[in-house]
Amino acid sequence: AQSVTQLDSQVPVFEEAPVELRCNYSSSVSVYLFWYVQYPNQGLQLLLKYLSGSTLVKGINGFEAEFNKSQTSFHLRKPSVHISDTAEYFCAVRESSSNTGKLIFGQGTTLQVKP
Amino acid sequence: DAGITQSPRHKVTETGTPVTLRCHQTENHRYMYWYRQDPGHGLRLIHYSYGVKDTDKGEVSDGYSVSRSKTEDFLLTLESATSSQTSVYFCAISEPGFNYGYTFGSGTRLTVV
Repeated sequence: AQSVTQLDSQVPVFEEAPVELRCNYSSSVSVYLFWYVQYPNQGLQLLLKYLSGSTLVKGINGFEAEFNKSQTSFHLRKPSVHISDTAEYFCAVRESSSNTGKLIFGQGTTLQVKP
Repeated sequence: DAGITQSPRHKVTETGTPVTLRCHQTENHRYMYWYRQDPGHGLRLIHYSYGVKDTDKGEVSDGYSVSRSKTEDFLLTLESATSSQTSVYFCAISEPGFNYGYTFGSGTRLTVV
């Protein structure tokens, strides 16, 4: 079975500073990895995904993530954050061979961007 | 945006009453899922469906049942609501081979008093 651990529940950062949100996963099989963002009182939106190929994936709003198989990590980064990036971020994993498509989510990281 | 709607958006109900939440999609996606979101727990899978009348349990299915009589509708029923079921409930849809991720509804905030 897979599991996902987001290592920080809250990350405060000043506007225009870089940020990294950490995600580690556990799985004995090949996986796909995702980051979702949830703005206040909204549903979740896909930021980016890793399916195969290049380990550095770029997503919307200037975010990127790097898949590191040896460290079983998929950390999310942005070089310069804006106030509008304040939201909750979820890392998720699924088996690449899954016939149900079930996603397992981490606990979430709240990004608080301060002026 | 993908056509997925949840109803109601907000509901307050009393302990012991049955409650049904509805998820409706217009994308003809095969897979549908119900998650609950609670602080510190992220999203946890309650039940999912992989076709009409085909459903299975997730990790937190106790106290919940589901039905899918049409491709577009996936109903979540709390047979006898308890305060521990106060949560935000999200429906999601997915299609094999289609970007491999989910599209989410806007959520239903359920309060059991």
